[in-house]
Amino acid sequence: QQQVKQSPQSLIVQKGGISIINCAYENTAFDYFPWYQQFPGKGPALLIAIRPDVSEKKEGRFTISFNKSAKQFSLHIMDSQPGDSATYFCAASKRGNQFYFGTGTSLTVIP
Amino acid sequence: GAGVSQSPSNKVTEKGKDVELRCDPISGHTALYWYRQSLGQGLEFLIYFQGNSAPDKSGLPSDRFSAERTGGSVSTLTIQRTQQEDSAVYLCASSLAGATYNEQFFGPGTRLTVL
Repeated sequence: QQQVKQSPQSLIVQKGGISIINCAYENTAFDYFPWYQQFPGKGPALLIAIRPDVSEKKEGRFTISFNKSAKQFSLHIMDSQPGDSATYFCAASKRGNQFYFGTGTSLTVIP
Repeated sequence: GAGVSQSPSNKVTEKGKDVELRCDPISGHTALYWYRQSLGQGLEFLIYFQGNSAPDKSGLPSDRFSAERTGGSVSTLTIQRTQQEDSAVYLCASSLAGATYNEQFFGPGTRLTVL
């Protein structure tokens, strides 16, 4: 049973465009929602995270939008750059004891 | 400072052999996680260690998988009688504590290939 569902599986965006990746979860006990960025041959690295008491968090060009009632959250990458080309994973956790990851989105930003 | 390190970076083994994968977490990090990443899949939780507490083994896929953490630091993931479906990248992560908002730092992973 997939605890966190992520879409799309792959995404191609023009440089300067907006990349949007969506995730949905079922367990209302989740209280921490991080996004990770992974480059080939590397481990994932935390990009940005949100708690369910806020609806949006922005860090530079990266924004998480969180809809608690719909049990959905999304990552928006503004002004996408070729260097943003990577695989992105959403995740959800309950008290940090176990993390459930989405299946990943491969983002390609075309120059 | 040094990040999470894993060894070996690559491991090729024959079906039926046992393998050991090592993780050195960031010094002072009390929480340690093992994940499995298969091609086209997300990260599958395997096991979680937090301090001196009993580990959460709920993600281990079979009794062929086991892990230990010695002295609250280095961890070893052991896969006995490897099968071809065990082929994946095994990732280790550590965090300062098991609390909700502490960042997990991932190692580069060990790519396991079972022939």
